Amino acid sequence: AQSVTQPDIHITVSEGASLELRCNYSYGATPYLFWYVQSPGQGLQLLLKYFSGDTLVQGIKGFEAEFKRSQSSFNLRKPSVHWSDAAEYFCAVGAGVGKSTFGDGTTLTVKP
Amino acid sequence: DTAVSQTPKYLVTQMGNDKSIKCEQNLGHDTMYWYKQDSKKFLKIMFSYNNKELIINETVPNRFSPKSPDKAHLNLHINSLELGDSAVYFCASSQVPSGGPQETQYFGPGTRLLVL
Repeated sequence: AQSVTQPDIHITVSEGASLELRCNYSYGATPYLFWYVQSPGQGLQLLLKYFSGDTLVQGIKGFEAEFKRSQSSFNLRKPSVHWSDAAEYFCAVGAGVGKSTFGDGTTLTVKP
Repeated sequence: DTAVSQTPKYLVTQMGNDKSIKCEQNLGHDTMYWYKQDSKKFLKIMFSYNNKELIINETVPNRFSPKSPDKAHLNLHINSLELGDSAVYFCASSQVPSGGPQETQYFGPGTRLLVL
């Protein structure tokens, strides 16, 4: 069965600083990987996804993620964080129709 | 137009009651889901349906029963509510792209359930 680990429960960065959120997955076949963001009191919204092809994927709001098969990782990055980026971030792996597993999430706090 | 909608947004009820949460999507998607998010923000899938057929039924108590009257709706009925059922419940939908096994999920705004 697939699994997703987000090692960092909580990360605090200063506004304008760079950001990297870690995600490690376990899956026996080609993974389908996603990053979602959840703003306070809201549902989840897709930031970006990786299915195949270029291992560096661009998403919305200036985020990008890099798929590294050798490390079973799909880390999310942003070069300069804005206060509005404070949210909960979830990494997910897909394993077929209707079958997705989410990590436990990373809470991002942005200091002024 | 809201893509995935849930009603009610808030639900406060007593232990032992039976309640339902409704979900509707207007995206034309084939697959719908229910997730439970606890107080620690952990998100766990409960059920998924594809074309009204159950695909996933995780280790959820049988007090929880999903009902999909058509592809656009997936309702969640909960019998004999318990304190531990207090959480935020999210509905989501997705569409398998042609030739592809995986899909992006679109989430509703959540239903905040509090059992007293």
